[in-house]
Amino acid sequence: NAGVTQTPKFRVLKTGQSMTLLCAQDMNHEYMYWYRQDPGMGLRLIHYSVGEGTTAKGEVPDGYNVSRLKKQNFLLGLESAAPSQTSVYFCASSYLHGSILDTIYFGEGSWLTVV
Amino acid sequence: AQSVSQHNHHVILSEAASLELGCNYSYGGTVNLFWYVQYPGQHLQLLLKYFSGDPLVKGIKGFEAEFIKSKFSFNLRKPSVQWSDTAEYFCAVNAQDGGQNFVFGPGTRLSVLP
Repeated sequence: NAGVTQTPKFRVLKTGQSMTLLCAQDMNHEYMYWYRQDPGMGLRLIHYSVGEGTTAKGEVPDGYNVSRLKKQNFLLGLESAAPSQTSVYFCASSYLHGSILDTIYFGEGSWLTVV
Repeated sequence: AQSVSQHNHHVILSEAASLELGCNYSYGGTVNLFWYVQYPGQHLQLLLKYFSGDPLVKGIKGFEAEFIKSKFSFNLRKPSVQWSDTAEYFCAVNAQDGGQNFVFGPGTRLSVLP
């Protein structure tokens, strides 16, 4: 049981380049999330998904797009990378939203540097 | 909307000292409360969680947290810290009525000196 897996773990991009971060979970979770973590700012939600085929904006969605074509996968895309998008990105998933049993599980993070 | 505040940005302790990290949230409804730990270079891992019942929750590695509803607080405690507890600690809140996604506090960095 791998839990939440992210690829790639490290990437350096030039300004203007595009890339996609892939997140996969094997826990049959309905909800998936993408966060970014920056020093002193904690975790900020970029986009999330409440089920296959759905996506929704979080707190800081600008400059990112997401897709959830399969329940187990949640892709985060940067169409034209900017230095302000240098960050650590965490994918997460949870079973139900608002459930008393709800717990969020995180991937190991993807370190992205935009130069 | 929910928000989560953590009292301290950086806490420095010597080994064997006692720890208390503050967490306050703002939300009018019933919530689930969590503490996550992030060791250097690693991802966030669940330390403990509160859903209902006994407001004193015990987690892994000797950590515990107390939910005080009247104060909207969920402070994390450990009676005697170790060097290996050096990490960043995040408090998080999730509404049980589905009114809000998980919201994380800004984190508290704990440095334990050997």
